[in-house]
Amino acid sequence: GDSVTQMEGPVTLSEEAFLTINCTYTATGYPSLFWYVQYPGEGLQLLLKATKADDKGSNKGFEATYRKETTSFHLEKGSVQVSDSAVYFCALDFQGGKLIFGQGTELSVKP
Amino acid sequence: GAVVSQHPSRVICKSGTSVKIECRSLDFQATTMFWYRQFPKQSLMLMATSNEGSKATYEQGVEKDKFLINHASLTLSTLTVTSAHPEDSSFYICSAFPGQGDYGYTFGSGTRLTVV
Repeated sequence: GDSVTQMEGPVTLSEEAFLTINCTYTATGYPSLFWYVQYPGEGLQLLLKATKADDKGSNKGFEATYRKETTSFHLEKGSVQVSDSAVYFCALDFQGGKLIFGQGTELSVKP
Repeated sequence: GAVVSQHPSRVICKSGTSVKIECRSLDFQATTMFWYRQFPKQSLMLMATSNEGSKATYEQGVEKDKFLINHASLTLSTLTVTSAHPEDSSFYICSAFPGQGDYGYTFGSGTRLTVV
């Protein structure tokens, strides 16, 4: 079945470091891909999305490119801030309504 | 933008009692809403799909008699945890799809349920 695999956390970085969170997926078809962010004690917020191959989603300095050939959607940011500390979820939507989430990656950014 | 309001944000209840969680779409109509459950430091697991005016569709392994879902209007879905037990303690999150023009599901802020 469809699934999403993320790199395990927690990831700890210093402020201004480069961030990569790997995400790969398995799907029979061409899903839309998403990154969501969850701050402590809160719900999920859509960070960025891509709906077809080679699309690049971007928001708040974060980027991810939909790579069909490697079935990946890695999240990157060139310079992280303390305020980026959160849990990041990669997700796909193939069935038109049911989001399938990865296990989440906790990011901690130290000053 | 599309906003989903979830209430309450935190609730503590005694074992054996029932708890109702509300999920409202504030500025759009949602014929379909989704209920997720999140265990500590784990991912979100879809529990059920709530359909306005019809029965909810539950995922495999989710007890429909334990988790009652009602979607009586285009802006409100409720999840009732019946006869709650400590193992029902969790973070429950709802989401809705605003529709065309914004391909992203909007999530409520979640409800932390603690059963004592």
